[in-house]
Amino acid sequence: KNEVEQSPQNLTAQEGEFITINCSYSVGISALHWLQQHPGGGIVSLFMLSSGKKKHGRLIATINIQEKHSSLHITASHPRDSAVYICAVRMYSGGGADGLTFGKGTHLIIQP
Amino acid sequence: EAQVTQNPRYLITVTGKKLTVTCSQNMNHEYMSWYRQDPGLGLRQIYYSMNVEVTDKGDVPEGYKVSRKEKRNFPLILESPSPNQTSLYFCASRAGWQGFSGYTFGSGTRLTVV
Repeated sequence: KNEVEQSPQNLTAQEGEFITINCSYSVGISALHWLQQHPGGGIVSLFMLSSGKKKHGRLIATINIQEKHSSLHITASHPRDSAVYICAVRMYSGGGADGLTFGKGTHLIIQP
Repeated sequence: EAQVTQNPRYLITVTGKKLTVTCSQNMNHEYMSWYRQDPGLGLRQIYYSMNVEVTDKGDVPEGYKVSRKEKRNFPLILESPSPNQTSLYFCASRAGWQGFSGYTFGSGTRLTVV
C-alpha cells in the first residue's frame, strides 16, 4: 500500500506570497492528482500528473518520479486560494486494485 | 453541465435503518468510486467500479454495498448503519479504465448515524 505524506499540514501566508505544498509517496505510481477542497466541502480536481510539470493560471504542479515527490505551487497567492489541498496517487492503470490513496491534506489560509 | 450528482446532501438516521446514497454522472464515464472523509484520517476509498457490473472493494468496504447496473449510476448502500459510519461521503467519476484523466467529484453527503 502506498503511503502519501503531505507537508506542511497547515500554512498561513500573506496575500501575494509564493506558496509551495509538498507530497511524497512510497511506491511507484501511474498518476498523481492534486485536489482542492473549499470550506464548503466540495472537491475540485486541479491537476493530474504522470511526469514533468503542468501549469494552470497561477497554479503549477511538478512531479519527480525518481524521487517519488510532487509539489504544488501557487504564485501571487490570494485569499480565494484559501482551501485544503490534497495530494492523491494511483498505483495501477487497470486490473487488480484501482483507486486513489490520499494524503491528509494541507490547510492553506491566505490573509489579505 | 458535466457533473456528478449526489443525494441527499445531508442525512441523519438511526442505527440499523437501511439507507441508500445515490450518485449519478452525466459524462458517460466508465469509472466511478465512493470515498469517505473523516477528521484526522483524510479521504479513504470505499468501493469502486470500472464499468457496468464490475465493482471492487477499496480500503474501507466493511458495512457498505454498491451496485452498478447502469453506467451513469453508482449507489452506496448501508444495510445496517452504525455510528462509526458517520462521515462525509463523496462520489467521483472519471473517463476510461486506464485512469489517464482527472476526477469529477460530487458535492458530498454528510451522514450522521445516531
